[in-house]
Amino acid sequence: GAVVSQHPSWVICKSGTSVKIECRSLDFQATTMFWYRQFPKQSLMLMATSNEGSKATYEQGVEKDKFLINHASLTLSTLTVTSAHPEDSSFYICSARVQTPRGLGTDTQYFGPGTRLTVL
Amino acid sequence: QKEVEQNSGPLSVPEGAIASLNCTYSDRGSQSFFWYRQYSGKSPELIMFIYSNGDKEDGRFTAQLNKASQYVSLLIRDSQPSDSATYLCAVKERLFGSGTASKLTFGTGTRLQVTL
Repeated sequence: GAVVSQHPSWVICKSGTSVKIECRSLDFQATTMFWYRQFPKQSLMLMATSNEGSKATYEQGVEKDKFLINHASLTLSTLTVTSAHPEDSSFYICSARVQTPRGLGTDTQYFGPGTRLTVL
Repeated sequence: QKEVEQNSGPLSVPEGAIASLNCTYSDRGSQSFFWYRQYSGKSPELIMFIYSNGDKEDGRFTAQLNKASQYVSLLIRDSQPSDSATYLCAVKERLFGSGTASKLTFGTGTRLQVTL
């Protein structure tokens, strides 16, 4: 299957600082990547859809100025949590869309390993 | 609003038995359906997908899709303790397409416990 990496795997920061998380597709090009957040014992919540070369599309209720997304290349998308606060502590997971040739099935998504953010 | 529903569980099955996980979805126009497995503290891992009515088998896993009933299920044969995890059902509106057209809608997941 396709491999997606994330860096860092975990980060601890002080309240008010900004944290950047990287998501890379290692063996394929991804025009679309997704950013999710997952709180303990809850399901995945889609935050935004990251499109290479254009602005991200944010889900309702997600502050675009707080969660900055950049998808500058076909293999890299970044999520920056600006002025992080303790309530932003969560498990952040990216995924990348893998294209399937038309007529041979359906596009799929593969997930990165996730980044655990703790804001003190 | 598009919804994907799963029983949260836990679903407890003995080792060697068949585990049956169910999922219903509200958007009749949905075209492709995915099952992911998520171990505690880890990210989701794709098990399989299905987009045609009927059954699709991959090793010990069988996905079943009934679009008329808006129902998709996952059967796990010969369940093993290592299968204990949360299983997420996800639905996509279109087979192909970039950007938000390829967005997945997830259920809340069913926790499976395989007992010795």
